[in-house]
Amino acid sequence: GAGVSQSPSNKVTEKGKDVELRCDPISGHTALYWYRQRLGQGLEFLIYFQGNSAPDKSGLPSDRFSAERTGESVSTLTIQRTQQEDSAVYLCASSLDVQPQHFGDGTRLSIL
Amino acid sequence: GDSVTQMEGPVTLSEEAFLTINCTYTATGYPSLFWYVQYPGEGLQLLLKATKADDKGSNKGFEASYRKETTSFHLEKGSVQVSDSAVYFCALRSKAAGNKLTFGGGTRVLVKP
Repeated sequence: GAGVSQSPSNKVTEKGKDVELRCDPISGHTALYWYRQRLGQGLEFLIYFQGNSAPDKSGLPSDRFSAERTGESVSTLTIQRTQQEDSAVYLCASSLDVQPQHFGDGTRLSIL
Repeated sequence: GDSVTQMEGPVTLSEEAFLTINCTYTATGYPSLFWYVQYPGEGLQLLLKATKADDKGSNKGFEASYRKETTSFHLEKGSVQVSDSAVYFCALRSKAAGNKLTFGGGTRVLVKP
């Protein structure tokens, strides 16, 4: 497709379970970003991949959060031992170098 | 570190009213500034941008001017429509902080017919 694709669109899981969120960026985009949007709040930066450089992980809130990216394609955000405060919409964006970021529709994560 | 402050909503307006959403920022150096919009049930979309001082971004009747002296990037539209009802986010990107975006908390705008 032409845009950033995220899956699943919704995820409900029990506290303590691990979850994996997937992002397919726009083809050819070298940069990929993950953000978190809690209910009624702005977006918080989580992690940023740029080409083959080491990712900027400065926004990850705890060591339960990790992300990987294969080359310049798919990225997976993993949250281990989920907690209720992890409930949020997780947004992925991609861009060509420093051009404006294009966002996916997000994954709405609910922790019971 | 970088930060963005925007007026809290919700902002409720009548159709054809003038809209202003204030946004101020703190950043190292000379950031690029953005307004993103999130329509109900849709993803985040870039509305407009300005990459240097005194630039004016414009799109869909919206405008915002990059004011370095007041560190502001206020969003304006002269005559809003019901279809402008959305949440608006001001954001910045500074080279010093890498290419990640720093967002304000968002302002919900509701336009009534």
